Order: sequence, then structure tokens, then C-alpha cells
Amino acid sequence: DTAVSQTPKYLVTQMGNDKSIKCEQNLGHDTMYWYKQDSKKFLKIMFSYNNKELIINETVPNRFSPKSPDKAHLNLHINSLELGDSAVYFCASSHEPTFTYEQYFGPGTRLTVT
Amino acid sequence: AQKVTQAQTEISVVEKEDVTLDCVYETRDTTYYLFWYKQPPSGELVFLIRRNSFDEQNEISGRYSWNFQKSTSSFNFTITASQVVDSAVYFCALSDTHTGTASKLTFGTGTRLQVTL
Repeated sequence: DTAVSQTPKYLVTQMGNDKSIKCEQNLGHDTMYWYKQDSKKFLKIMFSYNNKELIINETVPNRFSPKSPDKAHLNLHINSLELGDSAVYFCASSHEPTFTYEQYFGPGTRLTVT
Repeated sequence: AQKVTQAQTEISVVEKEDVTLDCVYETRDTTYYLFWYKQPPSGELVFLIRRNSFDEQNEISGRYSWNFQKSTSSFNFTITASQVVDSAVYFCALSDTHTGTASKLTFGTGTRLQVTL
């Protein structure tokens, strides 16, 4: 029944490693997003995909690479992890890629880089 | 550029008190949408309300109400008779046109509401 799901929920890894976070939505939405929430709870968009096509890329280091195998999935791969990458990463989806629709968020993935 | 300001970092109230969370926004767009999200201690983000820039009617949903005033660029959120379960971080967000494609939500910094017995 989960609308937007993410795995894993927690991810602890060492600097320099490569890791992936997976996201799936069963809402039939066309658009999916990745957001980063830092330690001060500030939320900022990273990427957006519409029907597997990248449409927003917000000045994110190219160590971060989103991949959308189909419109129900948007994965986030991070290379050469750094301490500053520690944060909670939220996946979200919306009905259409217009600004009129609310976005539904996944439960978040807490990434800790040591 | 779009900006959302939530000046109240943290608010503490006693159960059954009414509380208002302030949100002030900036945008050059004439058409935009405003949202409120709730983030309880469990961490998920829960959508509460969406309001478009052409609809200035206030909205009430149970103990929740929203006051949208375009003249002051504010979209305030009031919880009546607060309960402990209302304890959470509340985010106000603004959605712009972004070249007519994807909806980019610009979030405020959030207001942490603590409701105690």
C-alpha cells in the first residue's frame, strides 16, 4: 500500500565508497524527485525526472547520478561519498511535471558517511 | 528568485492552546502555488494543503485552518485546540512555474512545534 517507498531507510558507509538509494512509487505519477534534507532540516531539491527524462538538475555535484529505469522508479547513485553528503534523502512524486500538483514524499533515507 | 520565510524556529504550547505558524513568501510569478507539509518525529513528510495564487479564500479542515493573504504575501497556518500528536516540524513551500515544466518546491526552514500536556 505504500505510495512512495525508499530503500534502504538507513545507510551508514565510509568516505570514498559508492552507494545507491532506490525509490519506487505506485501512484501512477509521471514525475519523480530527489530532495536533500540537511542536519538543520533544510530541504532542497536535487533532481526531477518526468517519464524517465531529466528535467531539473540543481547544481548538484556530478558524483550524484540519478537513474530512472521507468517512470515508477528513480534511483540515486552517489560516487566517492564525502562527509558532507550525510543527510536525509527524500524521494517524491507528483501527478504531472507542472507546478500545480502537490508532491508525495517517501519515508526518507538517512545517509551517514563516516 | 523564490523565497519562503518561516521566522518562527520553534514554538512550544500547552495542549488545547491555539497556535499560528507564520509563512511569508517572495515570488515574481503571478501564478504560483503554496503548500504546507508536516514532518512528525518519525521523519516522513506529510502533505497538508495546496493553495493557488488566485484563491484567497481561507480554508478549514478540522482543527487546521489556513489564512492566505496575497497583499502581505503570507500563508499562515493555525492549529486550534492543539494536541500532543501535532508535535512536528511544519514546512511551508512555494511552487513556481519553472519554465512550465517540473514543479520545483522551494521550502521554508520549518517551524518546530512542541505541544506538551
